[in-house]
Amino acid sequence: TQLLEQSPQFLSIQEGENLTVYCNSSSVFSSLQWYRQEPGEGPVLLVTVVTGGEVKKLKRLTFQFGDARKDSSLHITAAQPGDTGLYLCAGAGGSGYALNFGKGTSLLVTP
Amino acid sequence: GAGVSQSPSNKVTEKGKDVELRCDPISGHTALYWYRQRLGQGLEFLIYFQGNSAPDKSGLPSDRFSAERTGESVSTLTIQRTQQEDSAVYLCASTAQTGGAREQFFGPGTRLTVL
Repeated sequence: TQLLEQSPQFLSIQEGENLTVYCNSSSVFSSLQWYRQEPGEGPVLLVTVVTGGEVKKLKRLTFQFGDARKDSSLHITAAQPGDTGLYLCAGAGGSGYALNFGKGTSLLVTP
Repeated sequence: GAGVSQSPSNKVTEKGKDVELRCDPISGHTALYWYRQRLGQGLEFLIYFQGNSAPDKSGLPSDRFSAERTGESVSTLTIQRTQQEDSAVYLCASTAQTGGAREQFFGPGTRLTVL
């Protein structure tokens, strides 16, 4: 099993602040996905990164895949209450079909 | 609906009873996945189907767990002789093709509570 560690586990910030969450592993992944999960719902895909060093932007969210394809980060600029949720990273490994999920970062943005 | 649906949304059962959880994937999606999410934890892979076949059952935690898929559509996850440690949210996902880079579309999950 290729383990993904996410940090921090919990994050509580005020509206307007910036934040970064991390996803780290000792394993190399062919691709890495970030999902957001809201209470009572299943995870929803935000982005997939494939190339080492790749940076993708989704409005106020910036995703980066490490050069060695072992780690990733998610940066949120000017967080809003609507950003509240559980952010999960998931890596695709050698099996080709299963995703290895981290435990997630639970983000709370208060007005 | 167009998304993945799961039923029931909530299930409370007594220890030792059997339960069946159902997943209806997106029409035409050939690959289907079951995950377990314990409180405060990430998603634990259980089993994956390609069509009606399950090439990898290694994620099933014990022989009390089994799953089947029929008609390349509906899947049922069965847990026999439930234990309290089986309490979790069981999530189903589907994707058009196999391959880790494919987006997995998740259902809302079934919250199982074993008393």
